[in-house]
Amino acid sequence: EPEVTQTPSHQVTQMGQEVILRCVPISNHLYFYWYRQILGQKVEFLVSFYNNEISEKSEIFDDQFSVERPDGSNFTLKIRSTKLEDSAMYFCASTEVRDSLIHTDTQYFGPGTRLTVL
Amino acid sequence: AQKITQTQPGMFVQEKEAVTLDCTYDTSDPSYGLFWYKQPSSGEMIFLIYQGSYDQQNATEGRYSLNFQKARKSANLVISASQLGDSAMYFCAMREGKGSQGNLIFGKGTKLSVKP
Repeated sequence: EPEVTQTPSHQVTQMGQEVILRCVPISNHLYFYWYRQILGQKVEFLVSFYNNEISEKSEIFDDQFSVERPDGSNFTLKIRSTKLEDSAMYFCASTEVRDSLIHTDTQYFGPGTRLTVL
Repeated sequence: AQKITQTQPGMFVQEKEAVTLDCTYDTSDPSYGLFWYKQPSSGEMIFLIYQGSYDQQNATEGRYSLNFQKARKSANLVISASQLGDSAMYFCAMREGKGSQGNLIFGKGTKLSVKP
């Protein structure tokens, strides 16, 4: 069964460093998302991406964040200058776009990347 | 106001019994979708079940069923015949508007512990 994959599974970085989190969405999916989950808290939406551009973003997704689809398979989240409060689990998700009028398209999540900022 | 409310931070259930996890939601959009995800201790998010706002019947997927009460704006997850492997966090989520591509809004989750 196809699945979303994410690398690395765990990233440790120093405050102020840049990190790139990588995701490979399910191959026939066209809509991609990043979410984050601070330890013990709920999952929060960061950004959605479609047709090589950002579709929607939350207030969390400030200028420190960027997303890119550098090739036909990868989808990346870059944090330019990490802060302690960026420590969280980051989930990539993807969905197949079949019918824009019906809410049947499920978002499938990757296993997550646990980012620790020291 | 919270869009998704899960009032049970933790629940216990005896193995082989059924358990209901509560979820209420708030939206003014007539078209929306409701989802349940399972997050085991390993951290991944596993899709369990989906209910559309226009669906006439409650969704079922194996041992999972969704008790959808639209007028009450509730979408409770029922797990029948609980297994030890069901011990995990369970998140209710909603997608409103924007067709099928809108982002999900999650509740705070319920931690389910299944006792042998």
